[in-house]
Amino acid sequence: NAGVTQTPKFQVLKTGQSMTLQCAQDMNHEYMSWYRQDPGMGLRLIHYSVGAGITDQGEVPNGYNVSRSTTEDFPLRLLSAAPSQTSVYFCASSLKDPFATSGAFFGQGTRLTVV
Amino acid sequence: RKEVEQDPGPFNVPEGATVAFNCTYSNSASQSFFWYRQDCRKEPKLLMSVYSSGNEDGRFTAQLNRASQYISLLIRDSKLSDSATYLCVVNIRLSGSARQLTFGSGTQLTVLP
Repeated sequence: NAGVTQTPKFQVLKTGQSMTLQCAQDMNHEYMSWYRQDPGMGLRLIHYSVGAGITDQGEVPNGYNVSRSTTEDFPLRLLSAAPSQTSVYFCASSLKDPFATSGAFFGQGTRLTVV
Repeated sequence: RKEVEQDPGPFNVPEGATVAFNCTYSNSASQSFFWYRQDCRKEPKLLMSVYSSGNEDGRFTAQLNRASQYISLLIRDSKLSDSATYLCVVNIRLSGSARQLTFGSGTQLTVLP
């Protein structure tokens, strides 16, 4: 079972470069989210989507864009990378009524370093 | 003030010990509550949901006190494999049907042989 797949697992960018982090899920989940995890701060929500064609901002959206053209895919774009975006990024998916009991399933994470 | 607060630890306990983690949350509109486990350099994985009546899954017991906005996790008979970071997670309703999982910073547990 693939679950939630993120690519790449590791990435080093130079300041100002752009890139897209890929996320795909094969569980037909409506909800998908992107989080970043920094030491001592827990996971913080960047953007989320409640279904294909619908996205919204989370707690820390600046510097990131998302789109949701299909149920399966939810890419995260870094527009112009900054050292402050060095972090571990997790994609998550869950059922349409996701958090009543089932929680969310996470991808394995992308470790991004911006130099 | 953080929306979900946990004691970061670390908790270092001997094998076989009982250990308890606590968590408080600030949003009284929170609807669902969870404990996640995260191993070093891995993704968070759902350990268990937390219900108002309290619930148990093997050696793990979770409790919720809505009046005090307090969640706990008790691990009995600790195993070496329980060593991980435990994340307290609260679901908050956003606009419409959207919800947001809000994470605590985690409590680190090391079980010693």
